[in-house]
Amino acid sequence: ELKVEQNPLFLSMQEGKNYTIYCNYSTTSDRLYWYRQDPGKSLESLFVLLSNGAVKQEGRLMASLDTKARLSTLHITAAVHDLSATYFCAVDLQGGSEKLVFGKGTKLTVNP
Amino acid sequence: KAGVTQTPRYLIKTRGQQVTLSCSPISGHRSVSWYQQTPGQGLQFLFEYFSETQRNKGNFPGRFSGRQFSNSRSEMNVSTLELGDSALYLCASRREGPGGGYTFGSGTRLTVV
Repeated sequence: ELKVEQNPLFLSMQEGKNYTIYCNYSTTSDRLYWYRQDPGKSLESLFVLLSNGAVKQEGRLMASLDTKARLSTLHITAAVHDLSATYFCAVDLQGGSEKLVFGKGTKLTVNP
Repeated sequence: KAGVTQTPRYLIKTRGQQVTLSCSPISGHRSVSWYQQTPGQGLQFLFEYFSETQRNKGNFPGRFSGRQFSNSRSEMNVSTLELGDSALYLCASRREGPGGGYTFGSGTRLTVV
């Protein structure tokens, strides 16, 4: 059974600081997704990582994927208050099971 | 282009009732999947449909069912509602192919009283 673990689950950081959220998964997969969710809202797609070594960047967020280690990271650079949200990673199985398994999410709070 | 449309946005139902939620995927997307989000269990997969066929099903009781129509629109139904069914129900559509990501709708917030 595919399991996805994120850590930390809660992250409080000051504006201007850097931090990394980790996402480990238990079964071979080469498709990993990062989403952002604001309170009471739906999931906003941030990154789709499709191969080993994939790295994608958008603004202050950068995501990477290491399929050998079954690890993805979401790095936050010089955090700003607007990044406060819950971030989820999700994996689907090789062969395209069309079923996402989500981590529990990391609630990020960026303090001024 | 239009995104994934879910209706209704909010619902309040009484225990024992049934409810039907609707999802219209992005035009051209034939895969539609449903997820339940609760504070305790997080995001859990319900089922996935492609070309009117259920291809995958999560670990939910038979009270949860769904279907997909020829225009790719999907509905999910929950019968004999329980308090624990209160959740945000999210629908996602996906373009076929290795690069296709999942796009989520705004969700339906179901409250069972």
